[in-house]
Amino acid sequence: DTGVSQNPRHKITKRGQNVTFRCDPISEHNRLYWYRQTLGQGPEFLTYFQNEAQLEKSRLLSDRFSAERPKGSFSTLEIQRTEQGDSAMYLCASSLEQGAKLNSPLHFGNGTRLTVT
Amino acid sequence: AQTVTQSQPEMSVQEAETVTLSCTYDTSESDYYLFWYKQPPSRQMILVIRQEAYKQQNATENRFSVNFQKAAKSFSLKISDSQLGDAAMYFCAYRSAIGAGSYQLTFGKGTKLSVIP
Repeated sequence: DTGVSQNPRHKITKRGQNVTFRCDPISEHNRLYWYRQTLGQGPEFLTYFQNEAQLEKSRLLSDRFSAERPKGSFSTLEIQRTEQGDSAMYLCASSLEQGAKLNSPLHFGNGTRLTVT
Repeated sequence: AQTVTQSQPEMSVQEAETVTLSCTYDTSESDYYLFWYKQPPSRQMILVIRQEAYKQQNATENRFSVNFQKAAKSFSLKISDSQLGDAAMYFCAYRSAIGAGSYQLTFGKGTKLSVIP
């Protein structure tokens, strides 16, 4: 178990540019989540995948945001035309869910800190 | 929608002493999970302890224990014999057991715990 890996750790970009983040979950985990955490707040849910299928998206995820998880392995989160309000820590998490009842803990990565200038 | 409230933005404790972090939540569901996550500075969020709502017995994990009061919708975390490594942000989180919302955690705003040597 090498843990959830996120790259890059930090990203500074100018307003209007596009950015892409990558998350590599724990290899056997079938669920992958993206959260956003702003200063002084707890993480807020953005979206999640069951294998390669994106099953839910938060209303926080505007049409400038897109996430993919090709082949049910790593995931990417892209933000187009970044705005200063997008500055935050973007956290990825994964879990292994089996059965109807979902009680497996989430394993978080270190996050990607985005700063939009 | 569920909400999680942590009323203590900051707490401090003397090394080796005991501290209790408070959390309340609002839900109309009867079956759910509650979690405490720890986020050390610049490090990944890790699960400290979790409680299943249908279990009356309070969860314990070594020096960490919870006081789960279902009727009062209260879920406090007690840290005994506090150590310097316990210094971190602590987040209380809620997750539905089944159905819509079971894929996401709802976090509180966090409590910053300082441990005084």
